Amino acid sequence: QKEVEQNSGPLSVPEGAIASLNCTYSDRGSQSFFWYRQYSGKSPELIMFIYSNGDKEDGRFTAQLNKASQYVSLLIRDSQPSDSATYLCAVNPGGTSYGKLTFGQGTILTVHP
Amino acid sequence: GAVVSQHPSRVICKSGTSVKIECRSLDFQATTMFWYRQFPKQSLMLMATSNEGSKATYEQGVEKDKFLINHASLTLSTLTVTSAHPEDSSFYICSARGTSGGSGELFFGEGSRLTVL
Repeated sequence: QKEVEQNSGPLSVPEGAIASLNCTYSDRGSQSFFWYRQYSGKSPELIMFIYSNGDKEDGRFTAQLNKASQYVSLLIRDSQPSDSATYLCAVNPGGTSYGKLTFGQGTILTVHP
Repeated sequence: GAVVSQHPSRVICKSGTSVKIECRSLDFQATTMFWYRQFPKQSLMLMATSNEGSKATYEQGVEKDKFLINHASLTLSTLTVTSAHPEDSSFYICSARGTSGGSGELFFGEGSRLTVL
């Protein structure tokens, strides 16, 4: 079982719709959870991080964390074509130093006009 | 905001040569830096953790004698791929953690694409 799992997609949504990206993780002791966006050939860009159960909103983005279910998601409202990218879920496993991330395989998102 | 710079962004070398990649934190001090590798269409895989003034900690399966890491100052870590071979061709990315260690203080460099001929 992979430590961090994501549906590789591609996920295709129309412009203006809500894109929902999901991630599950295996280490129940994990404390920190990150969503990154990566354009082809570029380095990951941090979108959001979350530590506590519940929702965290930042602009068009909402991260949701459910530690009991070992599940973290990212919602993108009013999706734009510029949101088309690979979205990486990353987890800081329990017992490791902060910043030592385990990444999922990424979900390819395509927003079509 | 804080910036982490990597150099070179792209490098092409012949098989058997060594390549050095630099990772610099430009406006903060980074006690810890992390080196990742990303093969095409795959996700980032952590290679090693680099701590200023001490030896790097390598992940299982990463050859420490092949991937030399030096973190001699609070703003610079280097990764040297020794005797590079075509299978080492990859996107190498560093990240840096600020000294305050606060939540979210983790920044990625722009990445360095290595092609070994």
